[in-house]
Amino acid sequence: DTAVSQTPKYLVTQMGNDKSIKCEQNLGHDTMYWYKQDSKKFLKIMFSYNNKELIINETVPNRFSPKSPDKAHLNLHINSLELGDSAVYFCASSRPLRAETQYFGPGTRLLVL
Amino acid sequence: QKEVEQDPGPLSVPEGAIVSLNCTYSNSAFQYFMWYRQYSRKGPELLMYTYSSGNKEDGRFTAQVDKSSKYISLFIRDSQPSDSATYLCAMSDNTDKLIFGTGTRLQVFP
Repeated sequence: DTAVSQTPKYLVTQMGNDKSIKCEQNLGHDTMYWYKQDSKKFLKIMFSYNNKELIINETVPNRFSPKSPDKAHLNLHINSLELGDSAVYFCASSRPLRAETQYFGPGTRLLVL
Repeated sequence: QKEVEQDPGPLSVPEGAIVSLNCTYSNSAFQYFMWYRQYSRKGPELLMYTYSSGNKEDGRFTAQVDKSSKYISLFIRDSQPSDSATYLCAMSDNTDKLIFGTGTRLQVFP
């Protein structure tokens, strides 16, 4: 029944490693997003995809690469992890140009040591 | 200056109180105004959204938008301990991009 799901829920890793976070939505939405929430709870958009096409790329380092194999999935791959990448990453989805009805996943808590 | 400003709180109120949460913004292009509730260690949950100016009511929750003052509010009537969470305002022009406030932490004590 979960609308937007993410795996893993927790991710603890060493600096310099490469890791991926997966997101899936079963709402039939065409648009999916990745957000980063820092320790002060500030939520900032990183990327959005509409039907597998990149729409928004918010000045995120090249180490972050989103991939959308189909419109129900949006994965986030992070290369050469840094301490500053520690945060909670949220996936969300919505209908196109209906950002006002975004549904969020439960989040992936990433800790880089 | 951030595009969206929100008092981080924490705001602590007794059960049954009326709660007022507010955000100000600087971008006059914003057309859609949202309120999300986020419980600890959970994802944000959409509470209400409003298009342009005006009021919208849903049960104990009322959202108000004053575009002339660039000011939005969320009122919670008869607050309950289960309302204890962080409340995030968010705004959008007519695109897919949401700009969030920093969130206000609300604590409702019995």
